Amino acid sequence: DAGVTQSPTHLIKTRGQHVTLRCSPISGHKSVSWYQQVLGQGPQFIFQYYEKEERGRGNFPDRFSARQFPNYSSELNVNALLLGDSALYLCASSSPLAGRNTDTQYFGPGTRLTVL
Amino acid sequence: GENVEQHPSTLSVQEGDSAVIKCTYSDSASNYFPWYKQELGKRPQLIIDIRSNVGEKKDQRIAVTLNKTAKHFSLHITETQPEDSAVYFCAVKRPSGTASKLTFGTGTRLQVTL
Repeated sequence: DAGVTQSPTHLIKTRGQHVTLRCSPISGHKSVSWYQQVLGQGPQFIFQYYEKEERGRGNFPDRFSARQFPNYSSELNVNALLLGDSALYLCASSSPLAGRNTDTQYFGPGTRLTVL
Repeated sequence: GENVEQHPSTLSVQEGDSAVIKCTYSDSASNYFPWYKQELGKRPQLIIDIRSNVGEKKDQRIAVTLNKTAKHFSLHITETQPEDSAVYFCAVKRPSGTASKLTFGTGTRLQVTL
C-alpha cells in the first residue's frame, strides 16, 4: 500500500526562478494539503485542495499557487523565489468524510528546496 | 488565527524514564489533536491522535490527555527507548467542513540517553 509520494526529493534554485513540486496522495484520498517547514520550526499550512477545489489557504504571498488534478495528485508552484523560500515542502493527504471534521493527515517525505 | 504553544523545546531523559510534552491552544472550537514524530531528514509520522469527545487515549507506551476546559493537551511516553529520540510536534484542527488545516506547535526535541 503506497503512501504519499513527492518529487523531486531535493531541488536547488537561484533567486528569481520558479519551481514546481509534485505530490501523489494515498490511493483513495481526495484531499491534498501543502505545508512549508523551515529548519527548526513546525510545518506551516500553505494550501489545501479537495476534489480539485481550493479549500484553504495559509498566510503565504501570491507567488505561491497550487492545483489538483483529476487523479487527485497536486502541484505546488512558487514564482520569483526568495532566499527565505528555502525549506522542506511537505504534502499531506487525507480522506475527509462529509460531516466529520477530524480526518487524519499522512505526510509525504517532502521536497527539500534550497534557494541560492 | 489559531495559536499553539509547545513546551519544552528540548527534553533529555534517561532510557526507561517517562517523557511529557505539553501543548496549549487558543481556539476553543478546535476538535482534533494529533501528535507527530519527525526523525532527522524524515517525514512527520502520526503517532497518536485524540478527538475532542475523548479525554485520554493510550497506545502501548504512548498516551495523550486532553483538557478542553484549560485548552491544553499532553503527550506521555513511558519506558523511553533510544529510538524515541526525535522531534515531536503537536497540532490542532478546528472543524471546518472538508478543510484540513493543521496548526502545529514549535516542536520538542526529545533525546533519550543510555
